[in-house]
Amino acid sequence: EPEVTQTPSHQVTQMGQEVILRCVPISNHLYFYWYRQILGQKVEFLVSFYNNEISEKSEIFDDQFSVERPDGSNFTLKIRSTKLEDSAMYFCASTARATGELFFGEGSRLTVL
Amino acid sequence: AQTVTQSQPEMSVQEAETVTLSCTYDTSESDYYLFWYKQPPSRQMILVIRQEAYKQQNATENRFSVNFQKAAKSFSLKISDSQLGDAAMYFCAYRSELPPGYALNFGKGTSLLVTP
Repeated sequence: EPEVTQTPSHQVTQMGQEVILRCVPISNHLYFYWYRQILGQKVEFLVSFYNNEISEKSEIFDDQFSVERPDGSNFTLKIRSTKLEDSAMYFCASTARATGELFFGEGSRLTVL
Repeated sequence: AQTVTQSQPEMSVQEAETVTLSCTYDTSESDYYLFWYKQPPSRQMILVIRQEAYKQQNATENRFSVNFQKAAKSFSLKISDSQLGDAAMYFCAYRSELPPGYALNFGKGTSLLVTP
């Protein structure tokens, strides 16, 4: 069964460092998302991406964040200069239709020291 | 912005019994989608059930069913014949039907414990 895959599963970084989280969405999907979940808190929407551009972003998704689909298969989330409060589980999701079922990856745990 | 409220941080149920998880939401829209997602300890979120707001009939998926009360803005999940594998965090989520608002808006979750 096709699935969304994310790498790395866990990354530890120093505050101020750049981090890139990678996602491979399901191959025929066209809409891509990043969500994050700070430990013990709810899942929060970061950004949605369609047709090679951001279609929506939350207030969390500030200038430190960027997304890219560099090669038609990967979908990346970059955090330019990490802060302690960026420590969270980051989930990638994709869907074939805007209103279709969202399929989530297993998440990338980011720990900022 | 729409808000989703899950007022039960934790629930417990005995194996084979039935449990209901509550969810309320706030919206001014008439067309939208509601979802229940399950997040087991492996942390990948899995869709349990979905409900389109225009449908009056409550959605069911095997042992999982919802009680959708549109006027009351309530969307509870009933799990019948609970199994140990049902133990997980359950999130209620709202999604607008209007672009660009296809992002899911989650509640804080309910942790379900299933006891033998």
